[in-house]
Amino acid sequence: DAMVIQNPRYQVTQFGKPVTLSCSQTLNHNVMYWYQQKSSQAPKLLFHYYDKDFNNEADTPDNFQSRRPNTSFCFLDIRSPGLGDAAMYLCATSSPGTSGYTFGSGTRLTVV
Amino acid sequence: QKEVEQNSGPLSVPEGAIASLNCTYSDRGSQSFFWYRQYSGKSPELIMFIYSNGDKEDGRFTAQLNKASQYVSLLIRDSQPSDSATYLCAVGGYSSASKIIFGSGTRLSIRP
Repeated sequence: DAMVIQNPRYQVTQFGKPVTLSCSQTLNHNVMYWYQQKSSQAPKLLFHYYDKDFNNEADTPDNFQSRRPNTSFCFLDIRSPGLGDAAMYLCATSSPGTSGYTFGSGTRLTVV
Repeated sequence: QKEVEQNSGPLSVPEGAIASLNCTYSDRGSQSFFWYRQYSGKSPELIMFIYSNGDKEDGRFTAQLNKASQYVSLLIRDSQPSDSATYLCAVGGYSSASKIIFGSGTRLSIRP
């Protein structure tokens, strides 16, 4: 089945140790998004790619970076995770003509 | 700052009754409106989208949009215990590939 896959499902990292979360899609959608969601809060958009064009939200910390090497894959890099970065990270995709986003299952990040 | 506002709840509804969830948004230029269901610890799942003023029905779900009042609602008829979840209202632009702003959600609890 066509879908959006996030790995790993759960990630534990040490304070200050770089971590990478991955997302892949078989939908061939143009747009890929990364959202951060903390408990009982709205998903917050960090950045998105429209094809190769990168769009960073103004309030996304510099600690967060992203890469999209091809249509199918997108990565979220957190260079020096702090305790405040513990959250669910959601990858989503869309394309012109689709309705809404298709979300992956999310990665729950714990910082110790 | 574009905002999407929802009552956080919890909203408690008896099984079999109608659950009514409401949302207001600040950006008058918004063109696309979505309702996502999110179970605890899971990623959001799209259940309804609406682009035009009026009602849109899909099974037990009805989305209602009033652009003049900047108001979106979701009605769930014949509520079931499996409907217990957080419902996220989301608002986007003209293109289906536009970024979407989410509300923080209303927690719905269906009591047997």
